[in-house]
Amino acid sequence: KNQVEQSPQSLIILEGKNCTLQCNYTVSPFSNLRWYKQDTGRGPVSLTIMTFSENTKSNGRYTATLDADTKQSSLHITASQLSDSASYICVVSVYNQGGKLIFGQGTELSVKP
Amino acid sequence: DTEVTQTPKHLVMGMTNKKSLKCEQHMGHRAMYWYKQKAKKPPELMFVYSYEKLSINESVPSRFSPECPNSSLLNLHLHALQPEDSALYLCASSQGRGQGKENIQYFGAGTRLSVL
Repeated sequence: KNQVEQSPQSLIILEGKNCTLQCNYTVSPFSNLRWYKQDTGRGPVSLTIMTFSENTKSNGRYTATLDADTKQSSLHITASQLSDSASYICVVSVYNQGGKLIFGQGTELSVKP
Repeated sequence: DTEVTQTPKHLVMGMTNKKSLKCEQHMGHRAMYWYKQKAKKPPELMFVYSYEKLSINESVPSRFSPECPNSSLLNLHLHALQPEDSALYLCASSQGRGQGKENIQYFGAGTRLSVL
């Protein structure tokens, strides 16, 4: 069964600190992996997208890594800001299924002053 | 412009009402999607349109009726909804329907629906 699991479920950090969110997937056949940020009551916004041949992708203070062998990805946030408080969703695209996406449950990040 | 616009932002309706949600994009995307999202859950795919034709219906009840009048617009018609249908309804669009990186989905801000 195609699944995406994220950890932790929720995380509280102090402003200025770094943090790392984890994503494990059992999606086959794999096409690409995306990290989205979703603010409360808003639609998800894409942060990064990686295919199996890409190990790392950065977008400002966000850096995603992908290990296609172990089927693991991480999202590292550097020097966190209050505006980083949001849900971070790991999404895997299935190859040859017309763009079907498998969503993780998300990690709820709260950045405190 | 990577904007997907959804209206209204909020909607409250009774179980006997008929209402419609609207979604618009001007990025030239040929695939459009409806998702339903309950609180603290990931989005669940409802419908996919590709080149204005319905290509995926994820066994959604008939009280939800999608419509794609043209390549820029996507509607979701609602009739005889139940309180458990209350959720955030998200529209998304992508260049095409394939799994490639170029077909990243852009999401709208959503319509917060409450069914009384």
